Amino acid sequence: DQQVKQNSPSLSVQEGRISILNCDYTNSMFDYFLWYKKYPAEGPTFLISISSIKDKNEDGRFTVFLNKSAKHLSLHIVPSQPGDSAVYFCAINAGGTSYGKLTFGQGTILTVHP
Amino acid sequence: NAGVTQTPKFQVLKTGQSMTLQCAQDMNHEYMSWYRQDPGMGLRLIHYSVGAGITDQGEVPNGYNVSRSTTEDFPLRLLSAAPSQTSVYFCASSYRQTNTEAFFGQGTRLTVV
Repeated sequence: DQQVKQNSPSLSVQEGRISILNCDYTNSMFDYFLWYKKYPAEGPTFLISISSIKDKNEDGRFTVFLNKSAKHLSLHIVPSQPGDSAVYFCAINAGGTSYGKLTFGQGTILTVHP
Repeated sequence: NAGVTQTPKFQVLKTGQSMTLQCAQDMNHEYMSWYRQDPGMGLRLIHYSVGAGITDQGEVPNGYNVSRSTTEDFPLRLLSAAPSQTSVYFCASSYRQTNTEAFFGQGTRLTVV
């Protein structure tokens, strides 16, 4: 039973438009939510995170929204750039003593067209 | 800054062979972990360690062994490789605190034939 789901395997967006990547989770005890970006032949790199006590966190062009009642997480990229083309993983930490123990979604391939 | 370093980057093994994937970090992180990435399945946790001398199993531990003798190193051992272990392996490290991100290595692409 998958605890973290990214239901869209891929997303295609025009440069300058908004990219919205979605993630659903099943466990309301999850405490800390992260987005990672991964280019081919590289390891995932941390992008942005949000704690369960917040509903929004911004960092430049990237904003993460958390809807705890719906158990839904989304990443908005505005404006999208061709260099944003990558695989995006949402990851969740259960909190407590879980530390860096993360549960990942399947990933969404984002393609930004010039 | 080296961060998390994995070796080798690529490896081909025959079924039944053994090998060790190396992982080292220079950030003095207490927590280290191994993940495998398979198509359509995201990253799944194999084993993790909260400090030197302490390891535990993750979601998919079968066929893998780990040990943690120093803070810096966390090797992953395949005792008898199987084709089902063909995957990309990532090592990660983080501070031993809540609400913190993990830092990943570049990955090891392993093929078992």
